[in-house]
Amino acid sequence: QVQLQQSGTELVKPASSVKISCRASGYTFTDYYIHWIRQQPGNGLEWIGWIYPGDGNTKYNQKFAGKATLTADTSSSTAYMQLSSLTSEDSAVYFCGRGGAYYASYWYFDFWGPGTMVTVSS
Amino acid sequence: DVQMTQSPYNLAASPGESVSINCKASKSISKYLAWYHQKPGKAIKLLIYDGSTLQSGIPSRFSGSRSGTDFTLTIRSLEPEDFGLYYCQQHNEYPFTFGSGTKLEIK
Repeated sequence: QVQLQQSGTELVKPASSVKISCRASGYTFTDYYIHWIRQQPGNGLEWIGWIYPGDGNTKYNQKFAGKATLTADTSSSTAYMQLSSLTSEDSAVYFCGRGGAYYASYWYFDFWGPGTMVTVSS
Repeated sequence: DVQMTQSPYNLAASPGESVSINCKASKSISKYLAWYHQKPGKAIKLLIYDGSTLQSGIPSRFSGSRSGTDFTLTIRSLEPEDFGLYYCQQHNEYPFTFGSGTKLEIK
């Protein structure tokens, strides 16, 4: 069965960076897009961007360009998101979600990871 | 960006009742709207996509409909596991955007 497993809670200092992971299993990792979504405390969901592990292509929400960097390691079926120049505004839960396949593109998210909480505090 | 206005913010109902949640897009998104359910400690679950297509494994008491830029999620005969947060998401254009959420609580 499709599963997305995310790395654990992060407590990081302002101005630093953090890299969180999303390990996929149960399907061909290189065939499907991986999306990242943010949920700030008490707020709704925001789409950050996607990576296509098959060729490493990425697409970002302009709001997160320069803040988030998406990569993928096909040898371990793991997607990563690095967040840089962290401020308290970046404190949130970050989810990975599976999107469509290259042969059947769709832009909703049919499987989600459990989320990674990132807290930015000195 | 496409703004998704979701209502109501809160909703209270009893098991066995039916409820509806609405989402209005600020411009045409064709049929491309998805609905999700979020419960504490559980992965967010896709319920419906393309406005009215039920995701595999989702009970038929969930249904989605569309009228222009207005979308509705209807849940018939509420079960205890249906309570939690519901979100809509437009999947028509970049950046993909979500509604602000509806909290469905037990009355």
